[in-house]
Amino acid sequence: AQSVTQPDIHITVSEGASLELRCNYSYGATPYLFWYVQSPGQGLQLLLKYFSGDTLVQGIKGFEAEFKRSQSSFNLRKPSVHWSDAAEYFCAATYQAGTALIFGKGTTLSVSS
Amino acid sequence: DVKVTQSSRYLVKRTGEKVFLECVQDMDHENMFWYRQDPGLGLRLIYFSYDVKMKEKGDIPEGYSVSREKKERFSLILESASTNQTSMYLCASSSGEAPQHFGDGTRLSIL
Repeated sequence: AQSVTQPDIHITVSEGASLELRCNYSYGATPYLFWYVQSPGQGLQLLLKYFSGDTLVQGIKGFEAEFKRSQSSFNLRKPSVHWSDAAEYFCAATYQAGTALIFGKGTTLSVSS
Repeated sequence: DVKVTQSSRYLVKRTGEKVFLECVQDMDHENMFWYRQDPGLGLRLIYFSYDVKMKEKGDIPEGYSVSREKKERFSLILESASTNQTSMYLCASSSGEAPQHFGDGTRLSIL
């Protein structure tokens, strides 16, 4: 069955430190991949997406993600975390563009000062 | 910007009630989705629709139904609310290959 796995439930990072959130997918072929962020009490905001082409994808708020086919991974990175980045992050995938997404269970990011 | 509006941010209902959650999008999107979000479980798909009057079951449709009479509106219906339907409900819409845009969610409590 198709699935998306986020191995880390909760991560704490010091402000100014780098961040990497992990995402692995299990699909028969390369899916369309997304990262969303959710601030407390809010809906989901799209950070970035990967459809094809360049495997390093730039998103909003200084985030980037790298697609690695050999590892079935799509990890999210940010070189320097700000306190406002504290939120829940979801990786999602779909086999066909425009169709329903399969989400990972999310990673909660805390930022310490 | 795409706007997906969910009619209520917070809702409290009683068990056995029929509950309607409304979602409206303003960008003429064909595709609309309802998810529920629970701690530790992420988002799970309840129902989706790719066109007016069309609906498809998602992964957890039991206890829910939907209605899409107009392109911009997608309603989620809890036929007889139960306490295990207490959750955050998120509506999303999309068009073509574009990513889904989400509403702010409705936090529903069933007492």
